[in-house]
Amino acid sequence: KQEVTQIPAALSVPEGENLVLNCSFTDSAIYNLQWFRQDPGKGLTSLLLIQSSQREQTSGRLNASLDKSSGRSTLYIAASQPGDSATYLCAVRPAIKAAGNKLTFGGGTRVLVKP
Amino acid sequence: ETGVTQTPRHLVMGMTNKKSLKCEQHLGHNAMYWYKQSAKKPLELMFVYNFKEQTENNSVPSRFSPECPNSSHLFLHLHTLQPEDSALYLCASSQAIAGGPYEQYFGPGTRLTVT
Repeated sequence: KQEVTQIPAALSVPEGENLVLNCSFTDSAIYNLQWFRQDPGKGLTSLLLIQSSQREQTSGRLNASLDKSSGRSTLYIAASQPGDSATYLCAVRPAIKAAGNKLTFGGGTRVLVKP
Repeated sequence: ETGVTQTPRHLVMGMTNKKSLKCEQHLGHNAMYWYKQSAKKPLELMFVYNFKEQTENNSVPSRFSPECPNSSHLFLHLHTLQPEDSALYLCASSQAIAGGPYEQYFGPGTRLTVT
C-alpha cells in the first residue's frame, strides 16, 4: 500500500529565504506526482505536476524535483514571501491503470513566512 | 476560483440531523470524487464516480451516502454522524477515468462540524 510522508510537518522562515519541502513515497511505481497548495479552510490549488519520466518541473519561483527510484520529491520555493504561507501537499498517482485515478496524499507541510 | 463549486461552505449539525453536501463542476468532466480531510490525518479518498457510476468506496461508513445524478453534480448525504466525522470535505473532478489518469480539480470544500 502506497504511503506518502512529508517532513517537516511545519516550517517557519523569514521572508526572502528559500524554502525546501520534502515528500517521500514507499512505492516507486507511480504515474506522476503532484504538488498542491492549500490555504486555511480552503480547497487545493495545483502547483506542479511531474510525470514519472521527468526529473523536474519549474513554474516561476517554484521548482519540483523527482527521484522516482529513491521515492523522493522536493519542492523548492525561491525567495519566499509572506504570501507563500500555506500548507503544501504532495500526492502520487499509481502507475497501474487498474488502480484508477486515485491520489495518495501526504500529511502536508505547513509553511509560515514571516515578514 | 476553480470550476468546481461546493455548498454549503460551512455546516454545523447535530448527531441526529440529516444534511447534504453538494458539489458541481463546470469543466465538462465525467469523473467526480469525495475526499475527507481531518485535522490530524492526510487527505483520504472516500468515493469515486465515473460516468455517474460508483467505482470506488473506500470502506466508508454507511452514514455517508453519495449520489451522482449526472456527471456535473455530486452529493454527499449525511445522517446520524459522529463528532469524529467533523472535517473538511473536498470534492474533485477529472476527465473520465478510462484512458487516464487525469489531473483532478478540487473545489473549496465544506467545513463540517458535528456537535
